[in-house]
Amino acid sequence: GAVVSQHPSWVICKSGTSVKIECRSLDFQATTMFWYRQFPKQSLMLMATSNEGSKATYEQGVEKDKFLINHASLTLSTLTVTSAHPEDSSFYICSARDQGEEQYFGPGTRLTVT
Amino acid sequence: ILNVEQSPQSLHVQEGDSTNFTCSFPSSNFYALHWYRWETAKSPEALFVMTLNGDEKKKGRISATLNTKEGYSYLYIKGSQPEDSATYLCAFIVPGNKLVFGAGTILRVKS
Repeated sequence: GAVVSQHPSWVICKSGTSVKIECRSLDFQATTMFWYRQFPKQSLMLMATSNEGSKATYEQGVEKDKFLINHASLTLSTLTVTSAHPEDSSFYICSARDQGEEQYFGPGTRLTVT
Repeated sequence: ILNVEQSPQSLHVQEGDSTNFTCSFPSSNFYALHWYRWETAKSPEALFVMTLNGDEKKKGRISATLNTKEGYSYLYIKGSQPEDSATYLCAFIVPGNKLVFGAGTILRVKS
C-alpha cells in the first residue's frame, strides 16, 4: 500500500522558535496533501490543503502566517510552525492523495512548546 | 458546522467478544464515509469507504454498514482479538474531498 512518512515524530521546542515538519509520500506522487491537527481527546481537524506548486488553502480559523505550508514537489510537503507558543503544542498529521480519492496518512508529529 | 459523532468514546472487551460502535453524520448531501483503524505510533489505516445507502462491507472479522437516510454507520468486530486494540475513526467526506473526522472510539481487547 501507499506509504507516507513524517519527520520528526516528536519535537520539543522553546517558545518563540520555529519548527518545520516534513511529510513525504514514499512510493507515489501526491498531487494533494492535507495537514491536520489533533488536540487531546478531540477529532483530527483539517488545517489546510496543499496542491503541488500552488499556495495552500487554509481552513477557517487557521492562521496562514503562523502555519506556513510548502508543497514544492509531488512527494514532499512541509509545515512550519512559526514563533511557536505553548498553545501550539499538539499532534500534527499529514495525509497525501494521488490521482484517486483515498488519503494516505503519515504517523504524525507530536509538538511540545515549552 | 458539520458534526461527526462517534460512540462510545472507549470500549474495553474480553478476547473473543464481539463488539460494535457507531458513527453519526449529517444525512443531507452525503458523498462518502471512511472508516480508519489507528494504532498507537502508527499511521491511520483505511478500512472501508462507504458510499451507498445499505452498503455492507467486510474485511476479515470486521464489517461495516451504512444508513445514509438516518445518518449513521456501524462498525462490527466479530471475535475481538488483542491485536484489534486501536482507535477507530470515521470521517465524512465534504466538497473538496476533505475529511471531517469524529473523535474516534478507543477499543481495548484484553486477553
